[in-house]
Amino acid sequence: NAGVTQTPKFQVLKTGQSMTLQCAQDMNHNSMYWYRQDPGMGLRLIYYSASEGTTDKGEVPNGYNVSRLNKREFSLRLESAAPSQTSVYFCASSLQGFNNSPLHFGNGTRLTVT
Amino acid sequence: TQLLEQSPQFLSIQEGENLTVYCNSSSVFSSLQWYRQEPGEGPVLLVTVVTGGEVKKLKRLTFQFGDARKDSSLHITAAQPGDTGLYLCAGGSGGSNYKLTFGKGTLLTVNP
Repeated sequence: NAGVTQTPKFQVLKTGQSMTLQCAQDMNHNSMYWYRQDPGMGLRLIYYSASEGTTDKGEVPNGYNVSRLNKREFSLRLESAAPSQTSVYFCASSLQGFNNSPLHFGNGTRLTVT
Repeated sequence: TQLLEQSPQFLSIQEGENLTVYCNSSSVFSSLQWYRQEPGEGPVLLVTVVTGGEVKKLKRLTFQFGDARKDSSLHITAAQPGDTGLYLCAGGSGGSNYKLTFGKGTLLTVNP
C-alpha cells in the first residue's frame, strides 16, 4: 500500500507564482488534512476536509485554497506565493476524525519561495 | 487557541540511558496522541490516550495521560539509536474531531 502520496517532493517558486500541491490516499479514508511544518512552530493545520464534498479552514488558511477532488484526492493551491509560505507541507488522512482513527501522513513537499 | 508545550526541546543521550519527554497544557484535551517523525518523512502515530490517568506501553516506551487530561509524558527505557527522531504530542479538543493541535516537538538523539 502506498498510503498517502504527495507530489512534488521539492519545489522552488518565485514570489507571486502559483502552484498546486497534490495529495492522494489509497486507504479509503473519509477525512483529509493539509498541515505546514516550520522550525520552532510545529505542525499547523491549514485546511481539512471532513468528508468528500466538504472543506473547512484550519489554524492558518490565509493565502491558500483547497479542493477535495474526490474521496482519494485533496489538493492545496497557492495563488500568489510569498516568502512566508516557505515551509514543509504535509498531507494527512484519517478514516474519520482523529478521535476515532489516527492520522496517516505523507512524506511532505518542501517548498521554497524566493 | 489551545497550546501544547513540549519539553525538553532537544535531548541528546547515550545508548542505554532512560529519558522522559513532557507535554503540558492549561487546556483539557479529549484525547492525546504521540507521533514520531524521522528526517524527510511524515509523522507516524505511536499511541493515543483517551482516559485521564491512562498508561499505555509500547515495548520500551511508556505513555501516560494526566489525571486532569491536561498533560502527558513519554518515558523511554534503555534508549537505542533507532529511537532517534522528533517526538510530537498532539491534542484533540471536544469541540472538533478534526482540529488536532500539535506541540513543537522534542528532538531526541541517541548516540551509540
